[in-house]
Amino acid sequence: EAGVAQSPRYKIIEKRQSVAFWCNPISGHATLYWYQQILGQGPKLLIQFQNNGVVDDSQLPKDRFSAERLKGVDSTLKIQPAKLEDSAVYLCASSSSPSSYNSPLHFGNGTRLTVT
Amino acid sequence: DAKTTQPPSMDCAEGRAANLPCNHSTISGNEYVYWYRQIHSQGPQYIIHGLKNNETNEMASLIITEDRKSSTLILPHATLRDTAVYYCIVSGGATNKLIFGTGTLLAVQP
Repeated sequence: EAGVAQSPRYKIIEKRQSVAFWCNPISGHATLYWYQQILGQGPKLLIQFQNNGVVDDSQLPKDRFSAERLKGVDSTLKIQPAKLEDSAVYLCASSSSPSSYNSPLHFGNGTRLTVT
Repeated sequence: DAKTTQPPSMDCAEGRAANLPCNHSTISGNEYVYWYRQIHSQGPQYIIHGLKNNETNEMASLIITEDRKSSTLILPHATLRDTAVYYCIVSGGATNKLIFGTGTLLAVQP
């Protein structure tokens, strides 16, 4: 099966600019996650979708970050305006179910964002 | 905060078994132990998970102690391609939410 697709692979922007990341999950996967991974740390969950509804966005900095999953398939994550501390890899993951213990997460290779 | 404790780094000789420990002394009865790994410049990859019984798949074996307070991931014959950061995660409940710590960097030496 095709894996989780993310684009772009790399992005460099200046602080206060805006940026958007795109994710296409594995076909049929209802649950989609966005994680932020700062260099040297483990991934941190930003938001979880079930179909096109938000399940958990408690760690999303809502003053500058937004995410949507229209039609319950593709998703976009946006940052506006970006800060230096937003430099990180943004990972998208999907799973077939939000609550089944036998549905592991499948991750894309991420978008590496550098804010200068 | 992550509910697990792992050594920051380990070395293993190529062809030998790699045994990665994880402590999760506050695990509750409905929480599973998951292992993921992350090879450089890639997203995390699922390896294995278990509740209380030992588990084995084509990638690895998971040994969980009887009191479930610790576990060991075993890669039976490590290769150079197994060099990665290995994350041990405890998770349960309805949302399948994974909270990653900093993991163990396993370096397989030729």
